[in-house]
Amino acid sequence: EVQLVESGGGLVQPGRSLRLSCVASGFTFDDYAMHWVRQVPGKGLEWVSGITWNSGNIGYADSVKGRFTISRDNAKNSLHLQMNSLRAEDTALYYCAKDGGFVTAEYYFDYWGPGILVIVSS
Amino acid sequence: QSALTQPPSASGSPGQSVTISCTGTSSDIGGYNYVSWYQQHPGKAPKLIIYEASKRPSGVPDRFSGAKSGNTASLTVSGLQAEDEADYYCSSYAGSDSGVFGTGTKVTVL
Repeated sequence: EVQLVESGGGLVQPGRSLRLSCVASGFTFDDYAMHWVRQVPGKGLEWVSGITWNSGNIGYADSVKGRFTISRDNAKNSLHLQMNSLRAEDTALYYCAKDGGFVTAEYYFDYWGPGILVIVSS
Repeated sequence: QSALTQPPSASGSPGQSVTISCTGTSSDIGGYNYVSWYQQHPGKAPKLIIYEASKRPSGVPDRFSGAKSGNTASLTVSGLQAEDEADYYCSSYAGSDSGVFGTGTKVTVL
């Protein structure tokens, strides 16, 4: 059974940093791209960042480019999102999501974690 | 990376069909066959229901179907059931290692 579990969320002041993690199980982690997707409570989904199986291709939404860094540790089946210079508008539920394409990123998300809440507020 | 455009709401009676549109550009929907659809119930994570524009993951009822023409994709839910009441989102690869979601559609079963 595929499982994705996020951690590292919480309340943080504007301008500060936070690092999210996602631990994966139930599939061969280093065969798949992984993504972060966020959702402001009561609002729509926003793709945040994605990383291919070997970290060879990485992408970011314009809204986080230059502030967020995605990374993965295939030896530990883990995905990370380093979030710097946080803003109030980064407040959201952050989901870790597995790409459905085998080796090739196809940008569809077949498994999702339960999400972790990040609140940016003074 | 502008969000794909979906109607805010759609509705139908049990047994009827509802179709949701998702409009993008030649840089996303029109440029790739990587369109997917998600169903999200309140308080739950999204669930994949269509990928590569028209393919259904195992376990998803064949009442759900997807199509794409040019810069527009669509999701049709046939034989509406009460449990189909949810928010639906489209998504597409947008080039340059980026993705984009639609604005979301709330489906109400009357």
